[in-house]
Amino acid sequence: GNSVTQMEGPVTLSEEAFLTINCTYTATGYPSLFWYVQYPGEGLQLLLKATKADDKGSNKGFEATYRKETTSFHLEKGSVQVSDSAVYFCALSSNRDDKIIFGKGTRLHILP
Amino acid sequence: DAGVTQSPTHLIKTRGQQVTLRCSPKSGHDTVSWYQQALGQGPQFIFQYYEEEERQRGNFPDRFSGHQFPNYSSELNVNALLLGDSALYLCASSLFGNGDYGYTFGSGTRLTVV
Repeated sequence: GNSVTQMEGPVTLSEEAFLTINCTYTATGYPSLFWYVQYPGEGLQLLLKATKADDKGSNKGFEATYRKETTSFHLEKGSVQVSDSAVYFCALSSNRDDKIIFGKGTRLHILP
Repeated sequence: DAGVTQSPTHLIKTRGQQVTLRCSPKSGHDTVSWYQQALGQGPQFIFQYYEEEERQRGNFPDRFSGHQFPNYSSELNVNALLLGDSALYLCASSLFGNGDYGYTFGSGTRLTVV
């Protein structure tokens, strides 16, 4: 079945450091890919998405590129801020059944 | 424009009891999905409702049931609660067939079973 694997956390970085959170997926067909973010005590917010191969999703300085050849959707940001501290979830949606499958999440701590 | 609204925000129940959680979808959305998020884990799909019917179901026992009303709001019911049912329950809404645009999530109901 479809699944998402993302790097385990926690990831701890200093402010202004470069961020990469790895995500790979297994799916039949051509899924849509997402990154969601969860701040403490809150629900999930859609951070960015890509719906086809080679698409780049971007938002708030975060980027991820849909790489079909490596089945990956790594999240990157050039300069992180303390306010980026949260849990980040990689996810996919199969166009066959419309439900979203999540990875286990990666907790990010940014130190001032 | 109100997003997804869930109630209550927190709930404490005893093993064996029954619980009902409620969700109002984002305006314009007609599909509601429920997820269970255990501590430190990613959300797990429970089921999805559209046109007042359960359209898809994840790997959850029959103790988990739901309902969708004509105004698209939804309830999640859990019977015979177990300690392992303690989790954050998230409701997400979307427009049917447009899941690849992403869901809108509520802030969740934190259920504690003691």
